[in-house]
Amino acid sequence: NFMLTQPHSVSESPGKTVTISCTGSSGNIAANYVQWYQQRPGSAPTTIIYEDNQRPSGVPDRFSGSIDRSSNSASLTISGLKTEDEADYYCQSYDTTNHWVFGGGTKVTVL
Amino acid sequence: EVQLVESGGGLVQSGGSLRLSCAISGFAVRKNYMIWVRQAPGKGLECVSVLYSAGTTYYADSVKGRFTISRDDSENTMYLQMNSLTYEDTAVYYCARRYTLGHQVDWGQGTRVSVSS
Repeated sequence: NFMLTQPHSVSESPGKTVTISCTGSSGNIAANYVQWYQQRPGSAPTTIIYEDNQRPSGVPDRFSGSIDRSSNSASLTISGLKTEDEADYYCQSYDTTNHWVFGGGTKVTVL
Repeated sequence: EVQLVESGGGLVQSGGSLRLSCAISGFAVRKNYMIWVRQAPGKGLECVSVLYSAGTTYYADSVKGRFTISRDDSENTMYLQMNSLTYEDTAVYYCARRYTLGHQVDWGQGTRVSVSS
């Protein structure tokens, strides 16, 4: 079964940059779009990146997404880190039968 | 404005049933790709079921044969009928829709389901 692996947690100081990886277990992660969701404590997820690197209206450009074919991974980068960015972040893509697959989530702590 | 509002969650005994609703405004449920995602306490997100605009469905192995996804086009509402519930079904259930063109996703606020063992 296709799986997406994320680091359990990352932490950084305000104003710095963090990058969260999302590595596919097999195949070619670039074959299907990757989405990223932010989930603040006690709240529902919201979409912050879709189709690898697109931002929905209202999402600041401090958030960016990318794909690295050489490592079969996607990445979410948050620059100019703010305390409000403290949340869980999930990547999501599709398996070979086009069914949803989520990464395990990464907790971002702003020190 | 797009809104997805879940309801129907609650406390149920193991073996019992619940029907979750997702009331939709701002778009037509019949034209969209709709999803139920759940999150067990302290855990990550899990796609439970998908209802494609053509009417075909998908279920995760963990719920296959017990859960049924459906929609009422006249009420513009999506449902998740959950039968033979077990403790492992305890979670917050979110409805979501993926845009018809593209992969952007809108989310509801979730409804909590607790199954007592």
